[in-house]
Amino acid sequence: AQSVAQPEDQVNVAEGNPLTVKCTYSVSGNPYLFWYVQYPNRGLQFLLKYITGDNLVKGSYGFEAEFNKSQTSFHLKKPSALVSDSALYFCAVRDMGGFQKLVFGTGTRLLVSP
Amino acid sequence: ETGVTQSPTHLIKTRGQQVTLRCSSQSGHNTVSWYQQALGQGPQFIFQYYREEENGRGNFPPRFSGLQFPNYSSELNVNALELDDSALYLCASSLDRVESQPQHFGDGTRLSIL
Repeated sequence: AQSVAQPEDQVNVAEGNPLTVKCTYSVSGNPYLFWYVQYPNRGLQFLLKYITGDNLVKGSYGFEAEFNKSQTSFHLKKPSALVSDSALYFCAVRDMGGFQKLVFGTGTRLLVSP
Repeated sequence: ETGVTQSPTHLIKTRGQQVTLRCSSQSGHNTVSWYQQALGQGPQFIFQYYREEENGRGNFPPRFSGLQFPNYSSELNVNALELDDSALYLCASSLDRVESQPQHFGDGTRLSIL
C-alpha cells in the first residue's frame, strides 16, 4: 500500500530564510506525489504535484519540490519564507487502486517568525 | 470558475443521530471524493463518486454512505453517530478520475458529536 511520512511535526524558520518541509514516500510503481497547504479553519489548497519529468517541480506561491527517487523523498522548499507561509503542510501520494484516492501524511506545521 | 463549496460549515449532533453533509463540486468536475480529518491528523479517504456511482471506498463502515447527483454535487450521510465521528469532513472534486489531476478541496464541515 502507498504511504507517505512527514518526519517533522513542526518546522520553525525566520522570515527571509529558505525553508524545507520533508516528505518520504513508499509506493509500488511510479509515484504520483502532491503537496497541499491548510490554513486555520480552511480546506486544503493544492500547491504542486510530481507525475513525471523534471525532478524539480515548481508550484504556487513560490514553492517548489524536489523529487528524489533514490531517497524516495519529495521535499517541499521555498527560497525565502514569508510570515504568511505559516500553515499546516501535507504531503500526499496517489493510491494506485484505479481511482483518485489520496493518502496523506500526518502534516507538518510551518511557523515563520518575523 | 466556482470552487468547491460545502454546507453547513459547522454542525453539532449527539450520539446515535444521523447527519447529511453537502458538497457542490468545482465547475466542470465530475468526480467527488470525501475525506475525514480528525484533529491533528491528515485527511483519511472515505469514498469517491464518479458519474453518480461509488467507485472507490476507504476503510469506513457502511454507516458512512453517499450520493452524487446529475449535476455532480454530492452528499455524505452518516448514521448512528459516534463520538469518534467528530472531525472535519472535506469534499474534493476533480475531473474524470484522471490520476494525475489534483483534487480541489472545499473548506469542510466541522462535525462535533456530543
